[in-house]
Amino acid sequence: QQQVRQSPQSLTVWEGETAILNCSYEDSTFDYFPWYHQFPGESPALLIAIRPVSNKKEDGRFTIFFNKREKKFSLHIADSQPGDSATYFCAASAQTGGYKVVFGSGTRLLVSP
Amino acid sequence: DPKIIQKPKYLVAVTGSEKILICEQYLGHNAMYWYRQSAKKPLEFMFSYSYQKLMDNQTASSRFQPQSSKKNHLDLQITALKPDDSATYFCASSQDQGGSDYTFGSGTRLLVI
Repeated sequence: QQQVRQSPQSLTVWEGETAILNCSYEDSTFDYFPWYHQFPGESPALLIAIRPVSNKKEDGRFTIFFNKREKKFSLHIADSQPGDSATYFCAASAQTGGYKVVFGSGTRLLVSP
Repeated sequence: DPKIIQKPKYLVAVTGSEKILICEQYLGHNAMYWYRQSAKKPLEFMFSYSYQKLMDNQTASSRFQPQSSKKNHLDLQITALKPDDSATYFCASSQDQGGSDYTFGSGTRLLVI
């Protein structure tokens, strides 16, 4: 089934803590997993992405952990900053078959100073 | 300079009327999409086009009709507007379908009264 489940719906962390956002999927043909973030009043923008050939992808304070066997992936935001407060969407797509990108329902992250 | 231009930015329409949402991308991408975002369904896929051909349509209603006059152009015609159509409509593009990163336009906020 082409669906991506995302949790939690909302998350509040203190500045400096690590925020953990979770996603899971069922379709085994998915082979590309991006994360997008969206600030209020703006459009979604690509943050970081991973392909299942690796189980970890880092970009500064942002890390994706990928578990192919369990069909789960997560975004860890280390040393969270108030400026990270936004809605984060996980997504999945397949290179073959012309599949669209399927988005999760989003996690609204609030980083309190 | 904006790489994906969506017009208008805001739109108020009367129930039963017809409107056209404009989208042009200047990224040289081959695939274009329409997504709808509302409080009820964040980032809901509507259509995908590749090389001006409709690839996927997840919109149940025929009131929504995409129109592609040029490769970098994908408009969305909405007829017989209903209050439930109120949402932000995002146009996006990617180099190719599946496994490519999306760039989103700034969106058209539609309010149907």
